[in-house]
Amino acid sequence: EVQLLESGGGLVQPGGSLRLSCVVSGFTFSSYAMSWVRRAPGKGLEWVSGISGSGDSTYYADSVKGRFTISRDNSKNTLFLQMNSLRAEDGALYSCARDQGTILTAQFDYWGQGTLVTVSS
Amino acid sequence: QSVLTQPPSASGTPGQRVTISCSGSRSNIGDNTVNWYQQLRGTAPKLLMYSNNQRPSGVPDRFSGSKSGTSASLAISGLQSEDEADYYCATWDDSLNGPVFGGGTKLTVL
Repeated sequence: EVQLLESGGGLVQPGGSLRLSCVVSGFTFSSYAMSWVRRAPGKGLEWVSGISGSGDSTYYADSVKGRFTISRDNSKNTLFLQMNSLRAEDGALYSCARDQGTILTAQFDYWGQGTLVTVSS
Repeated sequence: QSVLTQPPSASGTPGQRVTISCSGSRSNIGDNTVNWYQQLRGTAPKLLMYSNNQRPSGVPDRFSGSKSGTSASLAISGLQSEDEADYYCATWDDSLNGPVFGGGTKLTVL
């Protein structure tokens, strides 16, 4: 059974940092591209960042470019999102999602339940 | 402001057919395939349709998808109460070099 479990969310002050993790099981992690997708309260889904199966290619939404860094440890079946210089508008439920292939597309076939990030002073 | 435009709401009565539209541009829908997600209240999104009109295993054939030019549509026939959810279209955007989502459509079954 495919499972994705996020952690690392919490309350952080504006300008602060957080590191999210997503531990996966039930499939060959390195064979799939992965993404982080967020949903702010009262808003829709927003793709944040993605990474190829090998980790060689990374992609970012303009809203987080230069502040967030995505990475993965294929030996530990874990996806990461390092979030720096956090802003109030970054507050959201962050979910990791598996792409259907090795390269990034927009076909996310499995999702985690998410970890909540709140940015407030 | 989402790159892909969806109506914020749609509604129908049980048994009816409902269509949700998704409008984009050449750099996204025009040159790439469209996917649809269903998000029931309090749950993670679920891939409902991929590559314009392909249903993942387990998705009823009441759901169908289509694409024409820079627009796409999701149709739900034989509407059921359990179809009440938020629906999102998504595709790759060549200009932004990443996936983009529509703003979402909240479907209400009256």
